[in-house]
Amino acid sequence: DGGITQSPKYLFRKEGQNVTLSCEQNLNHDAMYWYRQDPGQGLRLIYYSQIVNDFQKGDIAEGYSVSREKKESFPLTVTSAQKNPTAFYLCASSVDRAAWGYTFGSGTRLTVV
Amino acid sequence: AQSVSQHNHHVILSEAASLELGCNYSYGGTVNLFWYVQYPGQHLQLLLKYFSGDPLVKGIKGFEAEFIKSKFSFNLRKPSVQWSDTAEYFCALVPSGGSYIPTFGRGTSLIVHP
Repeated sequence: DGGITQSPKYLFRKEGQNVTLSCEQNLNHDAMYWYRQDPGQGLRLIYYSQIVNDFQKGDIAEGYSVSREKKESFPLTVTSAQKNPTAFYLCASSVDRAAWGYTFGSGTRLTVV
Repeated sequence: AQSVSQHNHHVILSEAASLELGCNYSYGGTVNLFWYVQYPGQHLQLLLKYFSGDPLVKGIKGFEAEFIKSKFSFNLRKPSVQWSDTAEYFCALVPSGGSYIPTFGRGTSLIVHP
């Protein structure tokens, strides 16, 4: 079945450590996105990529980094510079820049202690 | 810059009640509009979308939404809710042009009591 796989589902890290969240899609979608979901704040865009080897900052990119070396993969690194990293992270993809709807992964809940 | 407002943050209904969730947007050009639903423990899934044409859009599970351009609104409706509609609902906007990056509202949490 085609879809987006995010792993792991739950992640715990100590404060000050960088952590990388995985996002893989087998939909052959060009565009991929990372969102952060916090209660009462909806989905906020962290980074997005519309083609391989290119990505752009979203609304809340500070403290995060990404790479897009392959079309199917768009990992997100939460760095120690992110002041409030505990959150639910969602990866999404869409067919192309026209974004005729998005497919979402099941998310990763990151807890930093 | 575009924005999406969902004024109802929490809605509690009894089964068979009618539902209307508000969504207003701010953008100066042509827009594509979406409603997504997130059931407890599940990923976001598309309920319905509007691109052009008939402003009344029908989606899955008996949901519909009406695009009213003059009011910058895209409210979601269902005539009779079920317990299984308990979920979080997100309205989203994508400008028709430019970067095509979606902006989501803050979401509305719907609880339906059996």
